[in-house]
Amino acid sequence: EADIYQTPRYLVIGTGKKITLECSQTMGHDKMYWYQQDPGMELHLIHYSYGVNSTEKGDLSSESTVSRIRTEHFPLTLESARPSHTSQYLCASSDSGGQPQHFGDGTRLSIL
Amino acid sequence: GENVEQHPSTLSVQEGDSAVIKCTYSDSASNYFPWYKQELGKRPQLIIDIRSNVGEKKDQRIAVTLNKTAKHFSLHITETQPEDSAVYFCAASRGSYIPTFGRGTSLIVHP
Repeated sequence: EADIYQTPRYLVIGTGKKITLECSQTMGHDKMYWYQQDPGMELHLIHYSYGVNSTEKGDLSSESTVSRIRTEHFPLTLESARPSHTSQYLCASSDSGGQPQHFGDGTRLSIL
Repeated sequence: GENVEQHPSTLSVQEGDSAVIKCTYSDSASNYFPWYKQELGKRPQLIIDIRSNVGEKKDQRIAVTLNKTAKHFSLHITETQPEDSAVYFCAASRGSYIPTFGRGTSLIVHP
C-alpha cells in the first residue's frame, strides 16, 4: 500500500550527537515537507522540497539540514543535537499540485 | 504571504452536540481549503476539503462551508461522538503553493 514512512518512531539520545531522521514515500509524490510539532500544537514548516536536488527552508528557523537525492527519500539531519531540538518531527508529501498533504507517523525526538 | 487564523483553540462539547470550528484567511487568491484531524499520538489525516468554486461540501456527519467574500471557512461536525475528540487543523493554499495551516483546535467530546 502506498504510504509515507518515518523511522525511527522514537529516539532518545544525548546532547552533541549527530542524528538523521528518515522519511520515505511510495506515493510517487514530487513534493515533500518536514514539520516540527510539539504534541497537540501547531505545525511549523522547517523544510520543503519540490523535487530531486531541490530543498528550501520553511517558516521556522531550524538548525537541521535536508537532502533530496531520490524522489522517494527526504532525510533530515541534525549535526549536533541539543535539548532545544526535543520535539516531534512530521514528514509529509504531496503531488505536484501540492494538495492535499499526506503525513507520516512522525518521529518523537528527545535530547538529554 | 497567506495568514490563517483558527478559532477556538479549545472546544468542549457533550456527546451528541454539534461542533463548529472557524478559520479566516488573508489571501483572496487561495482556492483550496483542507481540514485535517490529528488524534492523540497519530498523524494528521485529511478528513474533508473544499475548493473555491464550491460553497459547501458534506460527508456524513462532517461538512465544510466556504464564504469567499468574507474569506472564511468552517468545519461543522454534527452528532459528535467521543471518537471525534482530536486536534483539527485548517489550511489554505493556492495553486501549487505551500499550504498555510491554522494553529489547531483541540476538540473534546464528553460522553
